[in-house]
Amino acid sequence: DTAVSQTPKYLVTQMGNDKSIKCEQNLGHDTMYWYKQDSKKFLKIMFSYNNKELIINETVPNRFSPKSPDKAHLNLHINSLELGDSAVYFCASSALAREDGDTQYFGPGTRLTVL
Amino acid sequence: GENVEQHPSTLSVQEGDSAVIKCTYSDSASNYFPWYKQELGKRPQLIIDIRSNVGEKKDQRIAVTLNKTAKHFSLHITETQPEDSAVYFCAASRHSGYALNFGKGTSLLVTP
Repeated sequence: DTAVSQTPKYLVTQMGNDKSIKCEQNLGHDTMYWYKQDSKKFLKIMFSYNNKELIINETVPNRFSPKSPDKAHLNLHINSLELGDSAVYFCASSALAREDGDTQYFGPGTRLTVL
Repeated sequence: GENVEQHPSTLSVQEGDSAVIKCTYSDSASNYFPWYKQELGKRPQLIIDIRSNVGEKKDQRIAVTLNKTAKHFSLHITETQPEDSAVYFCAASRHSGYALNFGKGTSLLVTP
């Protein structure tokens, strides 16, 4: 099944904890992204990686650290979770070198709830 | 940075009517304009996109128009059906590898 997948789908945790969200794509893409969708449904870019290298880092607290072990994976680690981190986090991917390289495909999302 | 404005925020139409959603953008270097549909609890799904070398694109009941001079683009859905009910997002981007800058979404409700 070709897709962008994320784990876990739901994550409920206490303030102050550290957690990770994993993303994998088997589309052969070379660029991956993390977006945050807040309670008002607004989608905003957080990070972008191309061939394991960081190319976009929006104004995101340094408690958030993306890690790309290879082109097919982009994980998001969050330290010292805060109430305001509660949101749905979407991973996405695209293929820079292809004709449709600007088309981004989204994962199913991870709903993070910080209590 | 890029600023994408989207209107209206909510739209209710009768089944069979047309729906139009409009977006404006600020960055004249943007050249890729996708539209995503997001159903409740689901991922954003690309429904149509347009690049700056094209003024209009159509795919069955869905069409998108782009006016680069005025920096606005629109989504047109004809013969709406209840299953078209969802939140629709427009976005703008400079080119491959750049982030999508999203509008705030339009909640479309199609009533039978």
